[in-house]
Amino acid sequence: KNEVEQSPQNLTAQEGEFITINCSYSVGISALHWLQQHPGGGIVSLFMLSSGKKKHGRLIATINIQEKHSSLHITASHPRDSAVYICAVHNTGNQFYFGTGTSLTVIP
Amino acid sequence: NAGVTQTPKFRVLKTGQSMTLLCAQDMNHEYMYWYRQDPGMGLRLIHYSVGEGTTAKGEVPDGYNVSRLKKQNFLLGLESAAPSQTSVYFCASGARFNYGYTFGSGTRLTVV
Repeated sequence: KNEVEQSPQNLTAQEGEFITINCSYSVGISALHWLQQHPGGGIVSLFMLSSGKKKHGRLIATINIQEKHSSLHITASHPRDSAVYICAVHNTGNQFYFGTGTSLTVIP
Repeated sequence: NAGVTQTPKFRVLKTGQSMTLLCAQDMNHEYMYWYRQDPGMGLRLIHYSVGEGTTAKGEVPDGYNVSRLKKQNFLLGLESAAPSQTSVYFCASGARFNYGYTFGSGTRLTVV
């Protein structure tokens, strides 16, 4: 049983498309994180959310605590957005649960 | 450059050998973490530390030991490496719980 489920597992988009990646979780959380892992392997923290919505450039992250669901949106996608996007949740007991990631490829 | 530095970046070990992975951060972060990443399984927490001199077990601690003698360094040790420990290891640090995290670039370890 995975505490964090992401969908889709793989996603291919044309440059300029609007992209949505979904994350559902089954545990009570204190915060949710979206991470980006580049093809070279490096991991970057994109967002930390405990409620509502955050925006950074072309990236938007939302969370619905009641539905235990979060989405990561990318507007006007670009080939440099190609990466694996990972959803992670922290519960109040300092436990960490990670999704297996969504592999995004943006084609020029 | 400020950040998290992991050494080494690559290593091949024979079964039964020991080694230590070093994670160093220069951001004065209290929290430090060691994860392993395996295909199809996502990141899994091995051990973590909430401050100098403290360590705690994560989800998959067996076969690993850690130490945090200095605030800036978090060491991960493998006393007797096994092929099941072949993985990519990531270190991360954060100023406090549920704050933003900074990850190292990873260590690719192969145990033959």
